[in-house]
Amino acid sequence: GQSLEQPSEVTAVEGAIVQINCTYQTSGFYGLSWYQQHDGGAPTFLSYNALDGLEETGRFSSFLSRSDSYGYLLLQELQMKDSASYFCAVRGTDNYGQNFVFGPGTRLSVLP
Amino acid sequence: GAGVSQTPSNKVTEKGKYVELRCDPISGHTALYWYRQSLGQGPEFLIYFQGTGAADDSGLPNDRFFAVRPEGSVSTLKIQRTERGDSAVYLCASSLGAPGGPLGYEQFFGPGTRLTVL
Repeated sequence: GQSLEQPSEVTAVEGAIVQINCTYQTSGFYGLSWYQQHDGGAPTFLSYNALDGLEETGRFSSFLSRSDSYGYLLLQELQMKDSASYFCAVRGTDNYGQNFVFGPGTRLSVLP
Repeated sequence: GAGVSQTPSNKVTEKGKYVELRCDPISGHTALYWYRQSLGQGPEFLIYFQGTGAADDSGLPNDRFFAVRPEGSVSTLKIQRTERGDSAVYLCASSLGAPGGPLGYEQFFGPGTRLTVL
């Protein structure tokens, strides 16, 4: 099976940089995704890493190390609107019960 | 263009009743997923369709849950003999391609149906 671990909560101030870590255990692995979800809203896609290294999309970057089964989401120049829950998700290679498994989520609070 | 839509947005039912939840994916998206999410937790995978067929239904918790996608577009999640433990937000997502391909890694989620079983 697959399992993912993330910190439950992170707090930072506007303009700061925050890193949300994700470690995973999986029997097969295609890639690591990140989703943002505001309270009462739907998850929205942020980033995907299939290969080792850093992917940058505006203020958000995501990193993957397949050898360490580890990734992180980096949010720069934090804004109040970034307050939300962030989920890492693993895309597995096994077609049975392994397609997409989401982590428990990290609740980010951005303070003024 | 239109995103993923789900109806109803809220459903309150009594224990033991039957419910149907509908998902209308983005036009042209071949892959469709159902998840359920409890408060403070990540989405939990239920079932994945590729076209009309259920490619993976291993996440359905028991035989009270069933889903169809007869024409490869709209999908309906059906729950029989609802229990209080079924209360959650049921999310539907679609992607342009299968998860094993280059077009399948980004999922587009609908707003969800909040199911409350009294």
